[in-house]
Amino acid sequence: SAVISQKPSRDICQRGTSLTIQCQVDSQVTMMFWYRQQPGQSLTLIATANQGSEATYESGFVIDKFPISRPNLTFSTLTVSNMSPEDSSIYLCSVVGTRGFSYEQYFGPGTRLTVT
Amino acid sequence: GQNIDQPTEMTATEGAIVQINCTYQTSGFNGLFWYQQHAGEAPTFLSYNVLDGLEEKGRFSSFLSRSKGYSYLLLKELQMKDSASYLCAVMDSNYQLIWGAGTKLIIKP
Repeated sequence: SAVISQKPSRDICQRGTSLTIQCQVDSQVTMMFWYRQQPGQSLTLIATANQGSEATYESGFVIDKFPISRPNLTFSTLTVSNMSPEDSSIYLCSVVGTRGFSYEQYFGPGTRLTVT
Repeated sequence: GQNIDQPTEMTATEGAIVQINCTYQTSGFNGLFWYQQHAGEAPTFLSYNVLDGLEEKGRFSSFLSRSKGYSYLLLKELQMKDSASYLCAVMDSNYQLIWGAGTKLIIKP
C-alpha cells in the first residue's frame, strides 16, 4: 500500500486569496488524482496529474482556477485560486497502485478548506 | 450516461449482517471498488472486483456480476466501528473512477 501525506491538513482562508495544497507519496507513482468532496456528498474528480505532462481536468474544472504541478513521481500540488465560499470543501490527493491484475486506490488524509 | 446507484442510508444491528448493493452503467468496465469513509476522514480502500464472483476478506465480502451491472458489499458480525459511509466506484474504459453517492450505514446496539 501507498502512504500519502497532505499539507496543510486544514485551513481557513479569506475570499479572493489562493491556497496551495501539497501531496507527498512514499513511493513512485505514475498517476495522481485530485478530488474534492463537499459536505455530505461523494467525491468529485478535479484532475489527473501525470508526471511530465499537463494535468487533465474534468468538466467544470479549469487550470486557471485549479493549477496543478507534478514535478516528480512522488509529489504534486493543487492550488485553489481566487477562492470563494463555494470552494469550501475537503480536497483529497489519491494514487492508484497495481497488485498483479488488481488495482488499489489510496487517498491522502485530506485538506479541509473553509473560505470566509 | 454513466451512473452508479446505491442506497442513501441503511440501518443494522450490532452483530448482524448487512448487504449494501450497487448497480452501475458505465462506458466500459475495468473493475469495481468499495471504500469505507468515516465522517471527517478520507476514504479507505476495502475491495476491488474485476471478475464475477465473491471475494472474501475477513468480515467483509464483495460480490460482482458484470452481466447484471451489479455488486454488493457484505458486512458480517457488525461492530459499532463499522458505522460509516460506504462508497461504490467503477473504473471505466479510460481508467477513470466513477463514484456512487455513498451509503451511510448506521449501526445500532
